[in-house]
Amino acid sequence: AQRVTQPEKLLSVFKGAPVELKCNYSYSGSPELFWYVQYSRQRLQLLLRHISRESIKGFTADLNKGETSFHLKKPFAQEEDSAMYYCALSGPASGTYKYIFGTGTRLKVLA
Amino acid sequence: EAQVTQNPRYLITVTGKKLTVTCSQNMNHEYMSWYRQDPGLGLRQIYYSMNVEVTDKGDVPEGYKVSRKEKRNFPLILESPSPNQTSLYFCASSLVNPGLAGLNYEQYFGPGTRLTVT
Repeated sequence: AQRVTQPEKLLSVFKGAPVELKCNYSYSGSPELFWYVQYSRQRLQLLLRHISRESIKGFTADLNKGETSFHLKKPFAQEEDSAMYYCALSGPASGTYKYIFGTGTRLKVLA
Repeated sequence: EAQVTQNPRYLITVTGKKLTVTCSQNMNHEYMSWYRQDPGLGLRQIYYSMNVEVTDKGDVPEGYKVSRKEKRNFPLILESPSPNQTSLYFCASSLVNPGLAGLNYEQYFGPGTRLTVT
């Protein structure tokens, strides 16, 4: 079954500390992986997509197919990074093209 | 301005009274989708559409209907709402199916519709 697991509901770090938001997935085949972010009172928006291998707002994410993980990392957290982060996957499976989100991790960056 | 709009933004209704939440996008996107967001459960896909007249079930389709008669619109219909459908609903669109191998177009989300069924 397709599944995205984000084990942490809440992650609190101090400003300037490294951040790692965990994401593990279950998928038979090669999915497309994404990270979405939802700032307070704003719409959900794309942060990263694995295929483009880009860094957005200092965040990076590496797809590890062996560990089926797509953890989101940032070396130095900023207060403006406080938000809800969702890992998601999509891809053809059993003839469907569902989009699966994890349950989300709330990141709080403390001053 | 490129955007996804939803109406209404807030709705309080009673059990069994049919309702429709509209979703419209002005980006000529092929792929459209509906999600519900519940505390502790994240976003769960209700239905999606890969193009006009092509719809398919997501993970939680029970109690919902959709239609895609025009490319820009993708209404969500609750024929007989129940209290367990109280939730925050999001519509989203993408240029093409975001799951196509080698392509990952982002989804653009609407502002959300907060529905309360009493």
